[in-house]
Amino acid sequence: GAVVSQHPSWVICKSGTSVKIECRSLDFQATTMFWYRQFPKQSLMLMATSNEGSKATYEQGVEKDKFLINHASLTLSTLTVTSAHPEDSSFYICSARDGGTEGTEAFFGQGTRLTVV
Amino acid sequence: QKEVEQNSGPLSVPEGAIASLNCTYSDRGSQSFFWYRQYSGKSPELIMFIYSNGDKEDGRFTAQLNRASQYISLLIRDSKLSDSATYLCVVRDSSYKLIFGSGTRLLVRP
Repeated sequence: GAVVSQHPSWVICKSGTSVKIECRSLDFQATTMFWYRQFPKQSLMLMATSNEGSKATYEQGVEKDKFLINHASLTLSTLTVTSAHPEDSSFYICSARDGGTEGTEAFFGQGTRLTVV
Repeated sequence: QKEVEQNSGPLSVPEGAIASLNCTYSDRGSQSFFWYRQYSGKSPELIMFIYSNGDKEDGRFTAQLNRASQYISLLIRDSKLSDSATYLCVVRDSSYKLIFGSGTRLLVRP
């Protein structure tokens, strides 16, 4: 299956600082990437959809100025959590889609656990 | 509001038995259907995907899709202790967004 890699796997940061999470498609070109957030004992919630070379589309209730998404190339998207606060602590997961291959949006990165102290 | 409904469980089965997981979805325009397994603290792992009505088998796993009833199931045969996890039913809508169920926790007991 398609390989999606996230980095870092975990990060601890101080309140008020910014954190960048990378999502890479390793063996295909990702025309679209999706960013999810998962709080403990809850399911994944889609935060935003990013298309290469254009602005991300955010889901209702997700602050676009707080969660900056950049999808500058067909293999890399980044999510930056700006001015992080303890309530932003969560498990962030990306998936990537190859527009030419059915089902590739179904593969996820390994996730990034963010802890804001 | 597009929804995917699952029983949260836990569903407890003995080792070697068949585990049956069920899911319903609300959007008739849904395109594709997925079952994921998620261990605590880990990212979801794709087990099966199904696009057409009927059954699809892969090893110990069988996914069933009934579009008329808007119902999906996953059967796990010969359950193993390592199958204990949360199983997520996921539906892809016409805009390629994935809509997640809340997950069913499966416990396989010795």
